[in-house]
Amino acid sequence: AQTVTQSQPEMSVQEAETVTLSCTYDTSESDYYLFWYKQPPSRQMILVIRQEAYKQQNATENRFSVNFQKAAKSFSLKISDSQLGDAAMYFCAYRRGGSGGGADGLTFGKGTHLIIQP
Amino acid sequence: GEEVAQTPKHLVRGEGQKAKLYCAPIKGHSYVFWYQQVLKNEFKFLISFQNENVFDETGMPKERFSAKCLPNSPCSLEIQATKLEDSAVYFCASSQFRSYTDTQYFGPGTRLTVL
Repeated sequence: AQTVTQSQPEMSVQEAETVTLSCTYDTSESDYYLFWYKQPPSRQMILVIRQEAYKQQNATENRFSVNFQKAAKSFSLKISDSQLGDAAMYFCAYRRGGSGGGADGLTFGKGTHLIIQP
Repeated sequence: GEEVAQTPKHLVRGEGQKAKLYCAPIKGHSYVFWYQQVLKNEFKFLISFQNENVFDETGMPKERFSAKCLPNSPCSLEIQATKLEDSAVYFCASSQFRSYTDTQYFGPGTRLTVL
């Protein structure tokens, strides 16, 4: 069974600085998808970024980018120019690809609480 | 609609009472998922549907939990005889049947408190 590990329960960064959140995963699949979700205190789950395993290019979305290392099974999230609104829990998630993968539940890591210092 | 809707926002039940939660997926989405997030923030996948058909229910405690997605009705998650450990936020998510890449979009959740 696949597992997702976030080894940093909490991270703190100064406003406008850059921070990297770590995520590793374990799977025997070759086709899969990885996601970062943000959960602010409202508890709403917001998709930040996603990566298809077959793509070598790292995904980017404005200030958010990932470092996807398939061989190392690592999927870290980099937030540049941190803003107060980035403060939240961040969850890394995995879903297998291929036929039937679309209806698979996500496997989540335990989350990293990101604090932004003004 | 353009967002996943969940009702109610909060639900309080005494231990042993029944709880029923509802979810309206995004219009046009064929997959529906239920997750449980306990107070330690950990997510547990419960069940997924493709239209009205159960796809994967490996995470469901079947003795007390049941779920349905019927045509032209909100999906529902029902807990018979709630226990204290059922206290959690229950999220519904939906995704579009198009390829295998589609993202799951989450509703705002229902917070269930069992006293």
